[in-house]
Amino acid sequence: KNEVEQSPQNLTAQEGEFITINCSYSVGISALHWLQQHPGGGIVSLFMLSSGKKKHGRLIATINIQEKHSSLHITASHPRDSAVYICAVRSLIQGAQKLVFGQGTRLTINP
Amino acid sequence: ETGVTQSPTHLIKTRGQQVTLRCSSQSGHNTVSWYQQALGQGPQFIFQYYREEENGRGNFPPRFSGLQFPNYSSELNVNALELDDSALYLCASSLAQGFEETQYFGPGTRLLVL
Repeated sequence: KNEVEQSPQNLTAQEGEFITINCSYSVGISALHWLQQHPGGGIVSLFMLSSGKKKHGRLIATINIQEKHSSLHITASHPRDSAVYICAVRSLIQGAQKLVFGQGTRLTINP
Repeated sequence: ETGVTQSPTHLIKTRGQQVTLRCSSQSGHNTVSWYQQALGQGPQFIFQYYREEENGRGNFPPRFSGLQFPNYSSELNVNALELDDSALYLCASSLAQGFEETQYFGPGTRLLVL
């Protein structure tokens, strides 16, 4: 079992729909990152959070430390939101801080 | 644009060869991390450098090594290439060590080992 699990692996929706991507982790963490990766490989950092909720435009990220779970929400989704969304957790492993990634959720928004 | 660049963008090597990948961080960022991303997978942490010293390492063998230079550039070297080394290699720079700050990713170098 991976230390960071995302669901769903693939998600297809219509423009305008409310999108939720989930991330669960099994290790102790000090922060969680949500990243967006477009075709071709470029990665953009969307959020870094250690508690509560953050909002940026149509994107909202929440984290529940007790339940070891985070969600990324997209309101009023648009075809340009189509990308792979990756959750990564900052964890102390073998005496060093490391970033452990989920496998990603491929989101496709159809017009 | 994240201000982080990588070169080359694509590279083809044969098994057993050595490769050097380069990353230019954002000015002022004294931390650089390298990641390997196989097709269809999330990135895997290779190692991190802070002020030119290795500051943490993932589960990668010693034939993966790195260097960080005072001018905010860095290198990832892989010796004795294996077929499974074929992947997208990403670097990311940040202001602080240990992933305490936002990571700024480069576009990646896609390596194919034949």
